[in-house]
Amino acid sequence: NAGVTQTPKFRVLKTGQSMTLLCAQDMNHEYMYWYRQDPGMGLRLIHYSVGEGTTAKGEVPDGYNVSRLKKQNFLLGLESAAPSQTSVYFCASCYFGETQYFGPGTRLLVL
Amino acid sequence: GENVEQHPSTLSVQEGDSAVIKCTYSDSASNYFPWYKQELGKGPQLIIDIRSNVGEKKDQRIAVTLNKTAKHFSLHITETQPEDSAVYFCAASNGGYQKVTFGTGTKLQVIP
Repeated sequence: NAGVTQTPKFRVLKTGQSMTLLCAQDMNHEYMYWYRQDPGMGLRLIHYSVGEGTTAKGEVPDGYNVSRLKKQNFLLGLESAAPSQTSVYFCASCYFGETQYFGPGTRLLVL
Repeated sequence: GENVEQHPSTLSVQEGDSAVIKCTYSDSASNYFPWYKQELGKGPQLIIDIRSNVGEKKDQRIAVTLNKTAKHFSLHITETQPEDSAVYFCAASNGGYQKVTFGTGTKLQVIP
């Protein structure tokens, strides 16, 4: 099993550009999450999904959109990137009420 | 919502010594407390967790204690080794869809 994978690993954007981060898991998990990690602020939840076709807002959802069209994939979109979105993004998944498994992260730099 | 505070933010210990990281939480409904280890350039990985019906849990050199009355929980690492050097996150959850609130992390350095 590959576990949780994220693409791309690193990306540089200019302000105003758009991009999509892809998260894939092969563990048949129901729940999936997107977090951002900034120095001194831990992990903050952006959006999450409790099943295929469902999404919900987390702690810091502004400027991001998500979609879960397939159970194994969770996409995070930035429609118009801003420097404040420079961060490391982590995807995680879990089965019902169990341990969250994290991907390796995507490092995003917005200039 | 839940608020999790974690201390210290950095911790240096000599190899073989013990390390203790402390966290407090605000929501009395929280009932699941995982601890994650994050190595440089990698995603966090669960190392131990505890549920609110248990006061202490051990796994080899790692132990976690929970005081529900005081709303705090701690991670104890004994006989530290250089490979224990990493950032450690505590977290709290009240179940349901398992939305987890993380602490701000502790950077542990084990000096050989």
